[in-house]
Amino acid sequence: EAGVAQSPRYKIIEKRQSVAFWCNPISGHATLYWYQQILGQGPKLLIQFQNNGVVDDSQLPKDRFSAERLKGVDSTLKIQPAKLEDSAVYLCASSLRQNTGELFFGEGSRLTVL
Amino acid sequence: SQQGEEDPQALSIQEGENATMNCSYKTSINNLQWYRQNSGRGLVHLILIRSNEREKHSGRLRVTLDTSKKSSSLLITASRAADTASYFCATGVAGSYQLTFGKGTKLSVIP
Repeated sequence: EAGVAQSPRYKIIEKRQSVAFWCNPISGHATLYWYQQILGQGPKLLIQFQNNGVVDDSQLPKDRFSAERLKGVDSTLKIQPAKLEDSAVYLCASSLRQNTGELFFGEGSRLTVL
Repeated sequence: SQQGEEDPQALSIQEGENATMNCSYKTSINNLQWYRQNSGRGLVHLILIRSNEREKHSGRLRVTLDTSKKSSSLLITASRAADTASYFCATGVAGSYQLTFGKGTKLSVIP
């Protein structure tokens, strides 16, 4: 079974530039999550999708972050414009259904904002 | 905000010893999960314990849950160098779909 795929693995940008991250969840997983993990901290939920609908985006900085899940499968997370404090690893995860337990994580996309 | 808080923040042990990590949380939960993260990698699910369970085992892992104290512990027995990683507890808050992670315990197992 293929795992959660994320790209790119690494990205370096200047502040005020834009960046996009892509995620392909495990086939058949209805729920998709984007987490932000700052160095030395635990993952923080940014947004949660159930199929192509948003379940929770309460911690997403909507003035600069946006996310979509096309056709309930792939998802893209965009940051525009980026700030220095956005430097982090962006983790995508999926689960079979929401609130059922185990999350499967991708390897993450590491963003450095200079 | 982060619900769970792991203790200690860092732990260094010799290979073959047991490692114990603790997690405390603040609100009622449906379940509590433990994840492992190797350096530069994604998180890997280890074990899930539901709020009506007190203890669970999986291989060399033993998890306990005390809902009256709002705490959980993860015991890794007979540790190996390959167990070197960060360990996170995550709580499924009652009435919410969110899974909230703590800051983690960094475990170093010295060969």
